[in-house]
Amino acid sequence: GAGVSQSPSNKVTEKGKDVELRCDPISGHTALYWYRQSLGQGLEFLIYFQGNSAPDKSGLPSDRFSAERTGGSVSTLTIQRTQQEDSAVYLCASRHDRMVYEQYFGPGTRLTVT
Amino acid sequence: AQKITQTQPGMFVQEKEAVTLDCTYDTSDPSYGLFWYKQPSSGEMIFLIYQGSYDQQNATEGRYSLNFQKARKSANLVISASQLGDSAMYFCAMREDQGAQKLVFGQGTRLTINP
Repeated sequence: GAGVSQSPSNKVTEKGKDVELRCDPISGHTALYWYRQSLGQGLEFLIYFQGNSAPDKSGLPSDRFSAERTGGSVSTLTIQRTQQEDSAVYLCASRHDRMVYEQYFGPGTRLTVT
Repeated sequence: AQKITQTQPGMFVQEKEAVTLDCTYDTSDPSYGLFWYKQPSSGEMIFLIYQGSYDQQNATEGRYSLNFQKARKSANLVISASQLGDSAMYFCAMREDQGAQKLVFGQGTRLTINP
């Protein structure tokens, strides 16, 4: 399939451990977004990448969160020293420059911190 | 700052009836976009419909239409002839037209279609 893919689909980790979540955007999509969805809530913006520009990190909740995007394609969201409140579904979305409005979402990674 | 408000945590509708899901928004930007997404129990976010702030006509996509009332800052989703498969969470979202163009989401409405 040509959609956005994310891995792992589920991740259970112990409090204090580091985790890495991966997103493969649709080929050719230059814009990539990370969102977080806590249980029963709407999506919360975390970070945005656009081509080679500096990322917009304004939504990251703390300095334990970081993300990178290598080669303008795959992105990794890293959470250090995980806390229970980090438990959520982490969704990635990508968008083509010519698509004025539509962001295509991946299936998400469900993170559970015990 | 932009804000989206969905005041209906849950809605129950009989199959084949029309349903309106409410959404109000707040922004100081003159240019913005409004979206509706469907999230079934499987978790994926499915784009349904888009309305630009300068669009003169209400957006329609099949059974979905967006009742855009700019002066009232509302962007309600209307689903005609509801089907059992329409049962899902529905999110209203706003996109800023500058910068990151990130989406700001409401809290969602859980729609249940009864047979």
